[in-house]
Amino acid sequence: EAGVTQFPSHSVIEKGQTVTLRCDPISGHDNLYWYRRVMGKEIKFLLHFVKESKQDESGMPNNRFLAERTGGTYSTLKVQPAELEDSGVYFCASSPRVAGELFFGEGSRLTVL
Amino acid sequence: GNSVTQMEGPVTLSEEAFLTINCTYTATGYPSLFWYVQYPGEGLQLLLKATKADDKGSNKGFEATYRKETTSFHLEKGSVQVSDSAVYFCALSGGSNYKLTFGKGTLLTVNP
Repeated sequence: EAGVTQFPSHSVIEKGQTVTLRCDPISGHDNLYWYRRVMGKEIKFLLHFVKESKQDESGMPNNRFLAERTGGTYSTLKVQPAELEDSGVYFCASSPRVAGELFFGEGSRLTVL
Repeated sequence: GNSVTQMEGPVTLSEEAFLTINCTYTATGYPSLFWYVQYPGEGLQLLLKATKADDKGSNKGFEATYRKETTSFHLEKGSVQVSDSAVYFCALSGGSNYKLTFGKGTLLTVNP
């Protein structure tokens, strides 16, 4: 069974540009989460989807971040325009139920220059 | 709010040495506690967990005991191997709050 996959593994962009990160959860997992680790700091919750609906987006830092999950399958996280402080590793996780074990992807490293 | 404080690394050990990575937490109610591990080039994996006081989680030779009186969940292994080299994250989820709160992570390097 395929795990959670994320793309790209690493993206380097300039300040002001746009980047879109993609996450493919484990098939059948209705719950999808985005987390972020800024260099040297904790991994922090960004948001949670149940199928295509945003259940909780309290961790989204500002309106430059837009997450979608069309059709309740894969999810995208767009940063527009990117700022230097957005650099970090963005993790996606999925689970078959809320409060169940989370299965994480390898993360997408974003570097904003 | 919830918070997790874990031992800052990096930690470098020789093979077969004893490992302790300290983790303490602040939370309301009765959280569940976790250790996650990220091996090089891989995603975060759940290593072990404990859901109530005095529970001991264990996996792959690693152990951690949920200590409510000291609000701690220290990770231990009696004899580390080179393959244990990874980043270890302590985390909690509090009550009905499914969201994970993580510590900063501890990089462990085990030399042969």
